[in-house]
Amino acid sequence: NAGVMQNPRHLVRRRGQEARLRCSPMKGHSHVYWYRQLPEEGLKFMVYLQKENIIDESGMPKERFSAEFPKEGPSILRIQQVVRGDSAAYFCASSPSPIVYEQYFGPGTRLTVT
Amino acid sequence: GQQVMQIPQYQHVQEGEDFTTYCNSSTTLSNIQWYKQRPGGHPVFLIQLVKSGEVKKQKRLTFQFGEAKKNSSLHITATQTTDVGTYFCAGNTGTASKLTFGTGTRLQVTL
Repeated sequence: NAGVMQNPRHLVRRRGQEARLRCSPMKGHSHVYWYRQLPEEGLKFMVYLQKENIIDESGMPKERFSAEFPKEGPSILRIQQVVRGDSAAYFCASSPSPIVYEQYFGPGTRLTVT
Repeated sequence: GQQVMQIPQYQHVQEGEDFTTYCNSSTTLSNIQWYKQRPGGHPVFLIQLVKSGEVKKQKRLTFQFGEAKKNSSLHITATQTTDVGTYFCAGNTGTASKLTFGTGTRLQVTL
């Protein structure tokens, strides 16, 4: 049973470009969460999605960031016009249920903006 | 908004010594989870506590959830070099799916 998959594992973008991060949840999991981790810091919640729905995006910056989880295919976190401050590790997690349940994390995408 | 703090930020112990990290939430939690993240790795779920005053053990690790459900602790007995990493608590406030992660405690173990 494959775990949570994320790609790419490393992504380098120049300022102003777009970054697309993909996450495939564990089989049977329909709840996906995105977190951002700055170097030497904790994880900050960004967004929670179910298939075709954004449930909670209270942690998402208002501009340049968007997320989706289509009926078919992986969840995508999209960052437009990246800036140096976007450099971080972005982790995706999935769970079979949103209530009182552990989250399984993917290996993360390390985004570097030059 | 909800804040979850952990102390200490960093601890360096010699192998065989004990280690404790403390987690404090600004709000009452419905449950608390603990994760371990190795350097360069991703968070890995360790345990979940739900009941007030709950204590759970996993081999050398002991987890406690406070009576008021606002604090928690993780104690490691006789640390080993394999315990190296950052330990995060993460709180959930009920039906909300959002986990609020603590600031983390980085553990370094040397021989």
